[in-house]
Amino acid sequence: SAVISQKPSRDICQRGTSLTIQCQVDSQVTMMFWYRQQPGQSLTLIATANQGSEATYESGFVIDKFPISRPNLTFSTLTVSNMSPEDSSIYLCSARTSWDTDTQYFGPGTRLTVL
Amino acid sequence: KQEVTQIPAALSVPEGENLVLNCSFTDSAIYNLQWFRQDPGKGLTSLLLIQSSQREQTSGRLNASLDKSSGRSTLYIAASQPGDSATYLCAGSDQTGANNLFFGTGTRLTVIP
Repeated sequence: SAVISQKPSRDICQRGTSLTIQCQVDSQVTMMFWYRQQPGQSLTLIATANQGSEATYESGFVIDKFPISRPNLTFSTLTVSNMSPEDSSIYLCSARTSWDTDTQYFGPGTRLTVL
Repeated sequence: KQEVTQIPAALSVPEGENLVLNCSFTDSAIYNLQWFRQDPGKGLTSLLLIQSSQREQTSGRLNASLDKSSGRSTLYIAASQPGDSATYLCAGSDQTGANNLFFGTGTRLTVIP
């Protein structure tokens, strides 16, 4: 299995500011993803983080709002830019490994509250 | 667009009972199906994966099945324990096994000691 850690685990931010969330996997993985879970909702895929190139965003999510980096096979960051209260969610990092391509692993999540 | 429904939304049972959680997809063309557990304020833990060639998976007291013809999956928990209390999410990938997992809204399970 793959163990995924995220930092910070939670944060409270002011409207208009930005927050960068870090995701670290304990082994090299083929694919990394970022999900959002709004209060009382299920998970929605924001984007697939591609190593060394621009992320692939899902409908409704744009790079200017959620810039993503993935400099290597084990690390990725998601920035939530110009935050508003509607961005208050849990943000989860996820990954698939090369040896178990069908199982998807998740990090513990970052709980973001925007005031 | 694939939509996933989980029934019931919440369930409360006494310890020791067997129970079934249900998951259904609007588009039955599901490639893989995965059941997750989410504890309050935490991330997701993968419980069972039913791959494209399979119909059922078992792990300990858990058994998951998938009927692709109807687009329905069930998670059976035997002899429930208070430690099973959590939200259970099902998620499927589409026919191509593409990146996106379609998640249900979850069933919140409470097992009463």
